[in-house]
Amino acid sequence: GENVEQHPSTLSVQEGDSAVIKCTYSDSASNYFPWYKQELGKRPQLIIDIRSNVGEKKDQRIAVTLNKTAKHFSLHITETQPEDSAVYFCAATNQAGTALIFGKGTTLSVSS
Amino acid sequence: KAGVTQTPRYLIKTRGQQVTLSCSPISGHRSVSWYQQTPGQGLQFLFEYFSETQRNKGNFPGRFSGRQFSNSRSEMNVSTLELGDSALYLCASSLFEQNTGELFFGEGSRLTVL
Repeated sequence: GENVEQHPSTLSVQEGDSAVIKCTYSDSASNYFPWYKQELGKRPQLIIDIRSNVGEKKDQRIAVTLNKTAKHFSLHITETQPEDSAVYFCAATNQAGTALIFGKGTTLSVSS
Repeated sequence: KAGVTQTPRYLIKTRGQQVTLSCSPISGHRSVSWYQQTPGQGLQFLFEYFSETQRNKGNFPGRFSGRQFSNSRSEMNVSTLELGDSALYLCASSLFEQNTGELFFGEGSRLTVL
């Protein structure tokens, strides 16, 4: 089945710096790659997603890139702020589209 | 529009007991997925239901089971509880038949096994 690897597991940056989180997936038929943010004590929420027919997508300070050949995708956060501190999860669908498989998460800490 | 509702929010059980958790999806959503969240292991996929059919199951022992009703509400059951089953169990619903759209998560049911 689908397997998603996520790195790093923890990331500490200074306010204003950029943060990059990388994920790889195993199922070459995966076609949907969302990123979720989970703040402490809260439920995961979608922040951005990308589909397999697109190489890059941006939404203000957040961008996601996808390399289908290498089977990896990345989340880029620019001009980080303390409120970006949270756990970020990448995910990929399985071939049949009947499961969204998550990576183990990256704890991002932004210090001011 | 009401969000995904999970009950109970907190529960404490002892080893060997069994537990049933409930999830009411957003109105109109027919796909319901369940995840186990533990520190360091992220969100581990348990199973997914669509129109009362289990379409996929994660790598969990047979003690973990679930079902979905005709109104899309879902339940999961864990029998013969073990200490390692202590976790936050999250339910998520989706509007799409294929899981290629946003999952809306509930607040979870936190299970402690003593």
